[in-house]
Amino acid sequence: EAQVTQNPRYLITVTGKKLTVTCSQNMNHEYMSWYRQDPGLGLRQIYYSMNVEVTDKGDVPEGYKVSRKEKRNFPLILESPSPNQTSLYFCASSPGQGQWVSPVSGANVLTFGAGSRLTVL
Amino acid sequence: DAKTTQPPSMDCAEGRAANLPCNHSTISGNEYVYWYRQIHSQGPQYIIHGLKNNETNEMASLIITEDRKSSTLILPHATLRDTAVYYCIVRALNAGGTSYGKLTFGQGTILTVHP
Repeated sequence: EAQVTQNPRYLITVTGKKLTVTCSQNMNHEYMSWYRQDPGLGLRQIYYSMNVEVTDKGDVPEGYKVSRKEKRNFPLILESPSPNQTSLYFCASSPGQGQWVSPVSGANVLTFGAGSRLTVL
Repeated sequence: DAKTTQPPSMDCAEGRAANLPCNHSTISGNEYVYWYRQIHSQGPQYIIHGLKNNETNEMASLIITEDRKSSTLILPHATLRDTAVYYCIVRALNAGGTSYGKLTFGQGTILTVHP
């Protein structure tokens, strides 16, 4: 089944303890992205990656790091988590510029993971 | 970057059509309109997309105005299971567009379907 898998789904941690949220997709997608969702603020993009070894900042990158060493994986790293990073996180992927997308269909659709709920105490 | 504006909330009676508007007045010629929805706190799911023609699939219809500055998502016979947050975004077809990588979802529209 084509999917985006995030782990862990739930995590409670303490301030300053480094953690990594993994994201893996099995669709050979070039594009991957991370979002956080907070009440009243909708989905906000943290980082995105157009391809292997290519990453760029979204709207709220502070306090986060990412890496893209392989096409299928795009981990989100919190080097020193703080309580304001308590949030629901989503990873998403879509076909990329190296993969032909019909200009007629324009079907560059994002597939989202199930989400990771992180609590930082 | 092209941005979208949606009403924060809407109500609809079960069995009636739900019409969700979206403004995207700064949309560029190579940008498509995509609609997603999020039920509870699950991952958002794709609904439909379009460039300039009206589109229909098994889930919904999408009406895009001729000037492409706004669109309407239509759920023809809303059910209780359609209660969700609906997001409208614009995204360039390829990496040459500024809205290809960096995407803005906003807060979306909370649609509540009543019995």
